[in-house]
Amino acid sequence: GDSVTQMEGPVTLSEEAFLTINCTYTATGYPSLFWYVQYPGEGLQLLLKATKADDKGSNKGFEATYRKETTSFHLEKGSVQVSDSAVYFCALSDWNRDDKIIFGKGTRLHILP
Amino acid sequence: NAGVTQTPKFQVLKTGQSMTLQCAQDMNHEYMSWYRQDPGMGLRLIHYSVGAGITDQGEVPNGYNVSRSTTEDFPLRLLSAAPSQTSVYFCASSYSNSAPLYNEQFFGPGTRLTVL
Repeated sequence: GDSVTQMEGPVTLSEEAFLTINCTYTATGYPSLFWYVQYPGEGLQLLLKATKADDKGSNKGFEATYRKETTSFHLEKGSVQVSDSAVYFCALSDWNRDDKIIFGKGTRLHILP
Repeated sequence: NAGVTQTPKFQVLKTGQSMTLQCAQDMNHEYMSWYRQDPGMGLRLIHYSVGAGITDQGEVPNGYNVSRSTTEDFPLRLLSAAPSQTSVYFCASSYSNSAPLYNEQFFGPGTRLTVL
């Protein structure tokens, strides 16, 4: 079945460092791909998404490119801030196949001042 | 818009008690779902609904019931609480899960449940 695998955390970086959180997926159809962020004590909220191959999603300085050839959707940011400390979830929705959205296990990010 | 609301925010139950977690959305979304979040496990889908009157099981449905009598509400019932159901529960909704442009999920703030 469809699945999402993302790098395990926690990831600890200093402020202004470059961030990459890896995400790979398995799907037989044509999924949409998402990154959600969960700040402490809150629910998840959509950070960015891409709906087809080679699409780049971007928001708040974060970017991710839908790579069908490597089945990846890695999250990147050029210069992280303390306020980026949160848990990040990669997810896919194979809308042509069924009604479920599948989440990765999440990666906790700590940014040190 | 209030978005997705959940009540209560916190709840403590004794083993064997039953209760209902409430979820409501005011965005006229067709698709609603319940997840539980446990440390190291990410989000696991409990039940979901693609519209009023239609529900289906997710990954971990045992011990939970749902119903969808209106578009707005999607309550989750714990029939006989067990310590293994201690978790944080999130309700989510989206316009549709079948159209890529509209399938962003909106999450509620969560309910933290402890079963003693």
